[in-house]
Amino acid sequence: AQSVTQPDIHITVSEGASLELRCNYSYGATPYLFWYVQSPGQGLQLLLKYFSGDTLVQGIKGFEAEFKRSQSSFNLRKPSVHWSDAAEYFCAVGSDYKLSFGAGTTVTVRA
Amino acid sequence: NAGVTQTPKFQVLKTGQSMTLQCAQDMNHEYMSWYRQDPGMGLRLIHYSVGAGITDQGEVPNGYNVSRSTTEDFPLRLLSAAPSQTSVYFCASSLTSGVPSSYEQYFGPGTRLTVT
Repeated sequence: AQSVTQPDIHITVSEGASLELRCNYSYGATPYLFWYVQSPGQGLQLLLKYFSGDTLVQGIKGFEAEFKRSQSSFNLRKPSVHWSDAAEYFCAVGSDYKLSFGAGTTVTVRA
Repeated sequence: NAGVTQTPKFQVLKTGQSMTLQCAQDMNHEYMSWYRQDPGMGLRLIHYSVGAGITDQGEVPNGYNVSRSTTEDFPLRLLSAAPSQTSVYFCASSLTSGVPSSYEQYFGPGTRLTVT
């Protein structure tokens, strides 16, 4: 069965600094990978997705993620964080019509 | 488009009571799903539907029932509420039920349920 691990529960970053969120997956075949973001009190929004092809994918809000098969990772990055990026971020893998989510990483942005 | 709507926003139940969480979407989406979100556990899939009249179980289906009589609506029924069902519930939908597009999901705002 597929699974997703997000090793960092909470990350604090200064506004303007870079951000990297880690995601490791366990899946036998080529995975369908996603990052979703949840702002406080809201539902989730899709940030970006990886299906196949180019291993560096671009998403909304200036985010990008890199798929590394050899490391079973799909890390999310943003070069310069804005205060509005404070949220909870979830990595997910899709299989057999179901999405499996990681436990999430909460990002706090300090001024 | 209103997108995915959920009612109620908040609900308090006593142990043993039953209730239905409502979910509707106005985007003509084929695929709909229910998740529960608990601290430190991410979202876990309860049930999903690939079209009207078709439902299937997810990771944590016990204690919940669903039906999909129309494309638009996908209600979640708690048969006999238990404190372990205290959680935030999210409904989601996607345009098609094919893979991998069914994984690109639009989420509702959630229902916060407390069972005492």
